Amino acid sequence: QVQVVQSGTEVRKPGASVKVSCKASGYTFTSYYLQWVRQAPGQGLEWMGIINPSGGSTTYAQKFEGRVTMTSDTSTTTVYMELNSLTSEDTAVYYCARPQGLAAPGGGGLDVWGHGTTVIVSS
Amino acid sequence: DIQMTQSPSTLSASAGDRVTITCRASQSISRWLAWYQQKPGKAPKLLIYKASSLEGGVPSRFSGSGSGTEFILTISSLQPDDFATYYCQQYDLYPYTFGQGTRLEIK
Repeated sequence: QVQVVQSGTEVRKPGASVKVSCKASGYTFTSYYLQWVRQAPGQGLEWMGIINPSGGSTTYAQKFEGRVTMTSDTSTTTVYMELNSLTSEDTAVYYCARPQGLAAPGGGGLDVWGHGTTVIVSS
Repeated sequence: DIQMTQSPSTLSASAGDRVTITCRASQSISRWLAWYQQKPGKAPKLLIYKASSLEGGVPSRFSGSGSGTEFILTISSLQPDDFATYYCQQYDLYPYTFGQGTRLEIK
């Protein structure tokens, strides 16, 4: 079945970096962009960026420009999201999500979500 | 960035009620809008895409309408399973921004 499976909980100190993985299966990996969305405790959803696994082109939300890097590995059908210079404000659940793949901007709504990766930033 | 504003932020209702949630965009997004439902500790679930298209497997009591800058999610007859938080998201222009969410609680 179509799914994206994310890596497990991470704990980092302020100033460190974290790299979260998202392994896709059940569909043609290079045919769908993947998006990253995060959610701080008790807060709403925040869009971080998007990657085209075919070629690796990315677009990031301006808030994260210079601090986030999204990459893809077609050999393992995995995308990665690395966030640097972490602060307590980055404590959140990070989701990767796949759009429907429609002929629409971004491929449509996000119909396949990972379970989320909790990142805790604490000294 | 396109700002998405949902109202209300919290909605109290009873099972069987008809409820509506509004999402306004700071500029026209045509019909490139999705609605999601999220329950505590779970990933969001896609309900509606392209403003009014029902995602497969989603009950028909959910419906969406609107275009341009104003959109509405309607639940025609609330079921106990519907008490959750709802988000809209525009996917017309990067960044694909979300509304702040509407928490639907039991009255």
